[in-house]
Amino acid sequence: DQQVKQNSPSLSVQEGRISILNCDYTNSMFDYFLWYKKYPAEGPTFLISISSIKDKNEDGRFTVFLNKSAKHLSLHIVPSQPGDSAVYFCAASVSGTASKLTFGTGTRLQVTL
Amino acid sequence: GAVVSQHPSRVICKSGTSVKIECRSLDFQATTMFWYRQFPKQSLMLMATSNEGSKATYEQGVEKDKFLINHASLTLSTLTVTSAHPEDSSFYICSARQGGLAGGSITDTQYFGPGTRLTVL
Repeated sequence: DQQVKQNSPSLSVQEGRISILNCDYTNSMFDYFLWYKKYPAEGPTFLISISSIKDKNEDGRFTVFLNKSAKHLSLHIVPSQPGDSAVYFCAASVSGTASKLTFGTGTRLQVTL
Repeated sequence: GAVVSQHPSRVICKSGTSVKIECRSLDFQATTMFWYRQFPKQSLMLMATSNEGSKATYEQGVEKDKFLINHASLTLSTLTVTSAHPEDSSFYICSARQGGLAGGSITDTQYFGPGTRLTVL
């Protein structure tokens, strides 16, 4: 049972444009969400997170939006840069469960020149 | 951000031998660390939660006698793959949990190590 889903396995965006990566979840107990960026043969790098008490969090070029009623979150990258090309994972956790993360399947983002 | 190191980055061993992987949080103390496994082109699968000073909690389907976890200090957790077999070949990643307060919200973030590529011949 895939509780966190990233339905787009890949995304191609032109440099300078906006990249929008989507993530859906089914477990209504999730109340903390994170986005990670991962290069092949490396560990994930934390990008940004959001608590369920918020619907938006911004950090530089990265903004995460949370729609609790739709059980949907998205990561916006503006402007996209070639160095952003990587696999992006969303992850979710439930408070009080020792922060166990449930990861999505990942979306490969390619930023083209 | 917080830094987590992992050693070794790559290991090749013969079938039947044991391999130890170390995970260290370099600039913060982590009462909780996690061990993941990633198969090619798949997501990260949580294997176990490592708690400092107590026994690890294993996910369903993970053999605790096969994957020994020790969290002896607030900055070090080790994963030992015992009697390794070719099917244990995988990319193993650890993470360390750092909690805090930021912007009025409680944060609870896992920072990941660079991973260890295990190949069992």
